[in-house]
Amino acid sequence: ILNVEQSPQSLHVQEGDSTNFTCSFPSSNFYALHWYRWETAKSPEALFVMTLNGDEKKKGRISATLNTKEGYSYLYIKGSQPEDSATYLCAGGGSNYKLTFGKGTLLTVNP
Amino acid sequence: DGGITQSPKYLFRKEGQNVTLSCEQNLNHDAMYWYRQDPGQGLRLIYYSQIVNDFQKGDIAEGYSVSREKKESFPLTVTSAQKNPTAFYLCASSDSGGQTQYFGPGTRLLVL
Repeated sequence: ILNVEQSPQSLHVQEGDSTNFTCSFPSSNFYALHWYRWETAKSPEALFVMTLNGDEKKKGRISATLNTKEGYSYLYIKGSQPEDSATYLCAGGGSNYKLTFGKGTLLTVNP
Repeated sequence: DGGITQSPKYLFRKEGQNVTLSCEQNLNHDAMYWYRQDPGQGLRLIYYSQIVNDFQKGDIAEGYSVSREKKESFPLTVTSAQKNPTAFYLCASSDSGGQTQYFGPGTRLLVL
């Protein structure tokens, strides 16, 4: 089983702050790295899928980077808004179908 | 609208009873998945299916069974052999392996 760790476990920021959190995974047997956003009472929503070392993806104010050699990915949120409040899940794939999820980072953005 | 539906939203199981959770998708995806979430833990893979009439065990398959007779449907049965079934269950689908997974709204299973 691929071991995926996320940090921090939770984070409180003020509206307008930029923030980032980390996902780490074993660099061996890596296939893909997924980021999802999970808002309360909703389904997890896909943000990014990255496969290549050095990949950078961006969606509005949210971006992510991938370093497969050292086994980590960063998710950045620029100018956080209250609607960004959610749990952000990272998932690593050691094979192309099986994903291992981290425990998530709970982000709370205070207005 | 395209998407994944799960039913019921809440399900109650009595001791020794088998219960079945429904998952349907109209995204024309080949692959479907079942995950379980427990407090303080990440989503854990129970079973997955790459294609109709085929499925594989995930990391925590014991006490569960699935079928994939139709592309659109991937029901999960929680059997009496599952000693700790209380959890939140999520179904997902993807176009193929390694691709973005799309999730349903989930079913919360409680034991009476």
